[in-house]
Amino acid sequence: AAGVIQSPRHLIKEKRETATLKCYPIPRHDTVYWYQQGPGQDPQFLISFYEKMQSDKGSIPDRFSAQQFSDYHSELNMSSLELGDSALYFCASSSTPTSGYEQYFGPGTRLTVT
Amino acid sequence: GQNIDQPTEMTATEGAIVQINCTYQTSGFNGLFWYQQHAGEAPTFLSYNVLDGLEEKGRFSSFLSRSKGYSYLLLKELQMKDSASYLCAVRGRDSNYQLIWGAGTKLIIKP
Repeated sequence: AAGVIQSPRHLIKEKRETATLKCYPIPRHDTVYWYQQGPGQDPQFLISFYEKMQSDKGSIPDRFSAQQFSDYHSELNMSSLELGDSALYFCASSSTPTSGYEQYFGPGTRLTVT
Repeated sequence: GQNIDQPTEMTATEGAIVQINCTYQTSGFNGLFWYQQHAGEAPTFLSYNVLDGLEEKGRFSSFLSRSKGYSYLLLKELQMKDSASYLCAVRGRDSNYQLIWGAGTKLIIKP
């Protein structure tokens, strides 16, 4: 079965640079979620989109922005990168935002800021 | 505030049974999820409970008591590959989309 695809899988950037992470949800899934997970921490919800509209906003810094495109893929744009942004970034998708529809996670993008 | 509590770490023996507890205090309740996460990998969905009772799925079962704000994940016939973190997450009623995550329970399986 098709899973959530994220690219790139690994990314190394320097401070103050920008990065773009991409997420391709499971086919027919219309909701996308972005999470940031530091070592030994639980996933921190950043933002979600339903039918190309922002549906929820979590602890996403102002330096970050995201959008969902007409083909339902999503991109997380990160600017003025800081050392503390080094983390695993997961994208998840679900079929609808209503209760009972579990989120399926992609393999993650490991971002290292030096 | 909203809070989810689960033990930080548990140890069990291969072939045994282990129960991982989760208590929650959230603004409303719209479902509880259990995820398994191996180090450096993505969380994998295990179970979903929205009504009181036990949901069984193979070696894994999940229980929910909404009145007590309590859930547990029961793992039977433990295998070495079950060594992972187990995350409890709750969908509150304030948000249709966002999950409130526990910090996870690191389960260590010993031979």
